[in-house]
Amino acid sequence: NAGVTQTPKFRILKIGQSMTLQCAQDMNHNYMYWYRQDPGMGLKLIYYSVGAGITDKGEVPNGYNVSRSTTEDFPLRLELAAPSQTSVYFCASSYEGRPYNEQFFGPGTRLTVL
Amino acid sequence: KNEVEQSPQNLTAQEGEFITINCSYSVGISALHWLQQHPGGGIVSLFMLSSGKKKHGRLIATINIQEKHSSLHITASHPRDSAVYICAVRPLNYGGSQGNLIFGKGTKLSVKP
Repeated sequence: NAGVTQTPKFRILKIGQSMTLQCAQDMNHNYMYWYRQDPGMGLKLIYYSVGAGITDKGEVPNGYNVSRSTTEDFPLRLELAAPSQTSVYFCASSYEGRPYNEQFFGPGTRLTVL
Repeated sequence: KNEVEQSPQNLTAQEGEFITINCSYSVGISALHWLQQHPGGGIVSLFMLSSGKKKHGRLIATINIQEKHSSLHITASHPRDSAVYICAVRPLNYGGSQGNLIFGKGTKLSVKP
């Protein structure tokens, strides 16, 4: 199993550009998450999904959009990139049931907006 | 005040030392996670616990639900243990996904040979 994969690993955007961060998992996990990690701060939840076709906002959703058309894929869309979106983005997945299970993380995407 | 506080923020140890990292939280939880973030950035889950103690190799995690406190211990530390250790809690009644976590800021550990 590849686990959770993310592309790209690095990206530099200009202010106002848009892009999609890709995330895929091959573990048949029902839950998927997008986090951002800023220097010196804890991971913050952007959006999450509890299954195909179902998404919801996390703590910091402004400026982002997601979709979940399949169990495997959970892309994150940035529209009109801003310098405040410079961060490292992590995708994660888990199978939520009893007992609660661990979250598996992708390798991250380092995004710089100039 | 952050809902999850870790201490210390930074920790430097000599190889072989016993290390303790602490995590305190202010909300009711159903589980607590310890994660390790490697210098290259990757994040892996070390433990998930809701009571008592768990051990994996040289790593031991304990939790006291009544005191809202958890500790991560590393015995016989080694330079390869150098990483950021992150505590995350799974709150009760989060109002959303039961899988949502609240993360601490992490403890950066450096083990010198």
